[in-house]
Amino acid sequence: AQTVTQSQPEMSVQEAETVTLSCTYDTSESDYYLFWYKQPPSRQMILVIRQEAYKQQNATENRFSVNFQKAAKSFSLKISDSQLGDAAMYFCAYRSARATNKLIFGTGTLLAVQP
Amino acid sequence: DSGVTQTPKHLITATGQRVTLRCSPRSGDLSVYWYQQSLDQGLQFLIQYYNGEERAKGNILERFSAQQFPDLHSELNLSSLELGDSALYFCASSPRQGVVGYTFGSGTRLTVV
Repeated sequence: AQTVTQSQPEMSVQEAETVTLSCTYDTSESDYYLFWYKQPPSRQMILVIRQEAYKQQNATENRFSVNFQKAAKSFSLKISDSQLGDAAMYFCAYRSARATNKLIFGTGTLLAVQP
Repeated sequence: DSGVTQTPKHLITATGQRVTLRCSPRSGDLSVYWYQQSLDQGLQFLIQYYNGEERAKGNILERFSAQQFPDLHSELNLSSLELGDSALYFCASSPRQGVVGYTFGSGTRLTVV
C-alpha cells in the first residue's frame, strides 16, 4: 500500500524568505500524481500544485515550486517570498494513475509566517 | 467559493444518534468523494461515487453509509455515533473518472458529545 510521510510537523519562516516543506512517499507504481494542498484556518482544502510522475520537469505555480525526485520518492514544496497569507497547514498527497481517484495524504506540516 | 457545497457547516449531536451530511458537487461534476479529517487519523478517504454508483471504498465504518442521487448530490449517513466520530468531513468532486484533480468543499464539523 502507498504511504505518504511528512516529517516536519511544524515549520516557521520569516516574511519574504523562502521555506521548503518535505514529503516522501512509498509506492511500487511507476505512474502516479503528487499534490500539495493548503488548509488555512478557514479549513478549506486548496490545491497548491501538482506533479505528474511521468514528467521530469518540476512543477511551478508562481511562488510555489516542487523538487520532485522520483528515484528517491521525494516531493518537497518550496515557497518563495513567503507572505502572511501562506500561513496554513500543508498536506502532501499521492494518487495512483491506475487505481481509483482517492488521495492518500501525509500528516501535514503547519507553517507559521513571522512578520 | 469552490463550487462544492456542504451542509451543515457545523453539527453537534449526542452519542448514539444518527446524522446526515449533504454535499452538492460542482456543476457538471459526476464524481463525489468523502473524506474524514480527525486529529488521530489525519485525512482518510471514505468512499467515492460516480454518477450514482459506488466506485471505491476506503476506511469507512459499517455504521457509515453514503449514496449519490440522480441530481448528483451525495449524502453521508453516520449512525450510532461515538465520541471518536467527531471530525471534519469533507466532500470533493471531479468531472469524471480519470480527471486528476478535484475540488473540495469547506467541510462539515461534526462534534459528538
